[in-house]
Amino acid sequence: QVQLQESGPGLVKPSETLSLTCAVSGYSISSGYYWGWIRQSPGQGLEWIGSISQSGSTYYSPSLRSRVTISLDTSKNQFSVKLSSVTAADTAVYYCASSFDTMTPVDYWGQGTLVTVSS
Amino acid sequence: DIVLTQSPGTLSLSPGERATLSCRASQRVSSSHLAWYQQKPGQAPRLLIYAASSRATGIPDRFSGSGSGTDFTLTITRLEPEDFAVYSCQQYGNSPWTFGRGTKVEIK
Repeated sequence: QVQLQESGPGLVKPSETLSLTCAVSGYSISSGYYWGWIRQSPGQGLEWIGSISQSGSTYYSPSLRSRVTISLDTSKNQFSVKLSSVTAADTAVYYCASSFDTMTPVDYWGQGTLVTVSS
Repeated sequence: DIVLTQSPGTLSLSPGERATLSCRASQRVSSSHLAWYQQKPGQAPRLLIYAASSRATGIPDRFSGSGSGTDFTLTITRLEPEDFAVYSCQQYGNSPWTFGRGTKVEIK
């Protein structure tokens, strides 16, 4: 059973970079699957941020592409997201997630972590 | 981007009743790449339905999905107490993936 667990600061100052890591257990991220990030602003719907394949190919939401980077760390079996120049609009629960490929739904989710952007 | 509009925003029903939730896409969803998720407060979403009508592993058969093109429906035939939650649709056939804003099914 694949399990995902997010970690990272819960509070980020405006204009700084949000950084989160997702530790994966029960599966080697270098074996396959796509690994991604989805966020949910308070009272809002879900928003896909981007995904990365086991080979390192990345896919980003056009609305965030200029500010987001997703990367793999196969030695630690984890992947990460960095979102630069954050504002209050980036306050959200951030979920790490996985799907078999880019044309399949999300079948594994982390529990989510709340990131607040505030000075 | 494909915009998914879910209706109604809130559905107030009693246990045992039938729930019918709608998800309408702003353009055709390719190959019925449409999923439904259930989300309870403080929890991550859980996949219920994929490919518009296929139940995910372990999902009871009271949950069913239908539709194609731009109009999709999630039906819960007899609501159980644990089914009161928020349901969101997602299209994953076109990049970027997009989600609807959800329908809350609440106890009447």
